[in-house]
Amino acid sequence: NAGVMQNPRHLVRRRGQEARLRCSPMKGHSHVYWYRQLPEEGLKFMVYLQKENIIDESGMPKERFSAEFPKEGPSILRIQQVVRGDSAAYFCASSPVLTGDTEAFFGQGTRLTVV
Amino acid sequence: SQQGEEDPQALSIQEGENATMNCSYKTSINNLQWYRQNSGRGLVHLILIRSNEREKHSGRLRVTLDTSKKSSSLLITASRAADTASYFCATFNNAGNMLTFGGGTRLMVKP
Repeated sequence: NAGVMQNPRHLVRRRGQEARLRCSPMKGHSHVYWYRQLPEEGLKFMVYLQKENIIDESGMPKERFSAEFPKEGPSILRIQQVVRGDSAAYFCASSPVLTGDTEAFFGQGTRLTVV
Repeated sequence: SQQGEEDPQALSIQEGENATMNCSYKTSINNLQWYRQNSGRGLVHLILIRSNEREKHSGRLRVTLDTSKKSSSLLITASRAADTASYFCATFNNAGNMLTFGGGTRLMVKP
C-alpha cells in the first residue's frame, strides 16, 4: 500500500505562471487535506476535501488558489498567477473515514519556488 | 491563530539526554497528536493521546496530556542523533475536519 504520493517534488515557476500540485491519497482514504509550510514554520491548514466536495477551505486565499478532488484521479491544488510569496512547501495529507482517533498520513511535499 | 503552540521553539541536547517539548492548545479536543518532520520531508505520525488519557508510552516516547491546563508534553528518553527533527503537536477542530498544527519545536541532538 503506497503512501500519500505528491508530485512534483520540486516545482519552479516564473511570476505570473500557474502551478499545479498533485496529491494521490493512500488507497482507501477519502479525505484529503492541503497544508502550506514556510521555512522554519509550522503547517498552515489550507483546505479539506472529500471526493468531489470541498468541505472546508477556510485556510485558502480567496484569490488565485483553488483545489479539487475529483471522483477519479488525484487531488489538485492550483495556484494561478503565482507571486514570490507563494514560494513554500505544500503538503498533502490523507485519512480514512474521520473518527475520534483519526491520524493523518502525509506526502513528502511539493516545494514551489517562484522566480 | 494556531491551535497548538509548542515550546521551546528550539532545543539542543547531547546524545543520551532526555528531550522534553511542550504544547498548549486553546479549544476542547477529542485527541492530541504528535508528529515528527525531518528536514525537507513530510510529517510522520508519532503518537495519539485521547482526551480521557493522561499518559501514553511508545518506545522511547512518553506523552502526557493535561486537559485542565490544555497542555501536552512529549518526552524523548535517551535521545539519539537520529532524533534530530522538528516535532509538532496537532489537534482536530470541534467539527473534526481540520487538523491544526503548532509552530513546532526544532530538536537537535548532538553526537
